[in-house]
Amino acid sequence: GIQVEQSPPDLILQEGANSTLRCNFSDSVNNLQWFHQNPWGQLINLFYIPSGTKQNGRLSATTVATERYSLLYISSSQTTDSGVYFCAVFDYKLSFGAGTTVTVRA
Amino acid sequence: DSGVTQTPKHLITATGQRVTLRCSPRSGDLSVYWYQQSLDQGLQFLIQYYNGEERAKGNILERFSAQQFPDLHSELNLSSLELGDSALYFCASSVENSLAANTGELFFGEGSRLTVL
Repeated sequence: GIQVEQSPPDLILQEGANSTLRCNFSDSVNNLQWFHQNPWGQLINLFYIPSGTKQNGRLSATTVATERYSLLYISSSQTTDSGVYFCAVFDYKLSFGAGTTVTVRA
Repeated sequence: DSGVTQTPKHLITATGQRVTLRCSPRSGDLSVYWYQQSLDQGLQFLIQYYNGEERAKGNILERFSAQQFPDLHSELNLSSLELGDSALYFCASSVENSLAANTGELFFGEGSRLTVL
């Protein structure tokens, strides 16, 4: 199956800082999603982005399918951005990376 | 709110017992997926149903089984529970699925947190 690697594994930010999370995948995909798992365990859809660039408020994402990677940008981070960010790609199932744990300090 | 409903939210039981987790997909979604999230294994795919039929199987133990009913809700049955089955169990749904390639976005419920004592 498809391998999904996320980096960095952990990220500590000061409130207001910007950051970039990376997701590499081992094969071509037709579906790539970014999720935020909040401290209560909820998996929240951030982006459905098989290719191209999308923006939603302070978050944006870019997927370069031909080079098999996706980036998630967090700008002007807030404490509510803390949690684990997952990238997931679909072959016959949604395969998740190990996640990036983001801690935003006030 | 993703529109996917899971019950119960929390469940505490003893080893050897059997539990049933329930999932109602988003209105109009035909595909249901079950995932297990444990501390040491991350998010693992268990099984998928599409319009009542099993479509794909992942790392699902033989002690576990699932089904999707005509009204499209799904149940995950966990039996002969062991301490290691303690985890967060997620259900997700999507509107479409093809055997070749899924292009539908998956939406996850809030999960059922199972604790086996």
